[in-house]
Amino acid sequence: EAEVAQSPRYKITEKSQAVAFWCDPISGHATLYWYRQILGQGPELLVQFQDESVVDDSQLPKDRFSAERLKGVDSTLKIQPAELGDSAVYLCASSLAEIVRVGAGPWRLDGYTFGSGTRLTVV
Amino acid sequence: GDSVTQMEGPVTLSEEAFLTINCTYTATGYPSLFWYVQYPGEGLQLLLKATKADDKGSNKGFEATYRKETTSFHLEKGSVQVSDSAVYFCALSDRGTSYGKLTFGQGTILTVHP
Repeated sequence: EAEVAQSPRYKITEKSQAVAFWCDPISGHATLYWYRQILGQGPELLVQFQDESVVDDSQLPKDRFSAERLKGVDSTLKIQPAELGDSAVYLCASSLAEIVRVGAGPWRLDGYTFGSGTRLTVV
Repeated sequence: GDSVTQMEGPVTLSEEAFLTINCTYTATGYPSLFWYVQYPGEGLQLLLKATKADDKGSNKGFEATYRKETTSFHLEKGSVQVSDSAVYFCALSDRGTSYGKLTFGQGTILTVHP
């Protein structure tokens, strides 16, 4: 069964350091999502890509977070500098979503699949 | 904006007991509704979904019905097993306001004892 690959699985970093996470979506999935899951809460979307373009980064703290998906396949999420409050699990997901525009009628979320996540601890 | 509210947890049951986890939502557009499950040490897995009012999603003995009139999507199972112990998340995706973003509830921890 196809999987969304993420690395590293665990990361411990000191505050003010830079940290990066990598995600490889399921082959053929045009849409890629990065979510953050704080302990005891549900995941929250940070950024969403359609191919190599960002379609939603409204919840991404852009002063310290950046994300890219240069060739429309794998993606990197970076935090610089890391803060204590960034400790969380960072989840990547991908789907076959057909996106035309918001509210444009029927669309699919086929194959929406999450990776196992990267658990970040900032000390 | 869109939001999902789940019943306060954790929930502790004996094996073969009946399970209900309540979920209500607020959405601007046309939400699809989901239940995800997260087993210890694993990623999120889709448990079931419903895309329009009165649809019933079902999987592995779990069921949930999309109730537009009460804006609810409660999860039920008639007889739980120890292996059902996990965290359960209710979620929605609102095609009227997003491109496929999932909005999650806070999660409900279920522990089933033998």
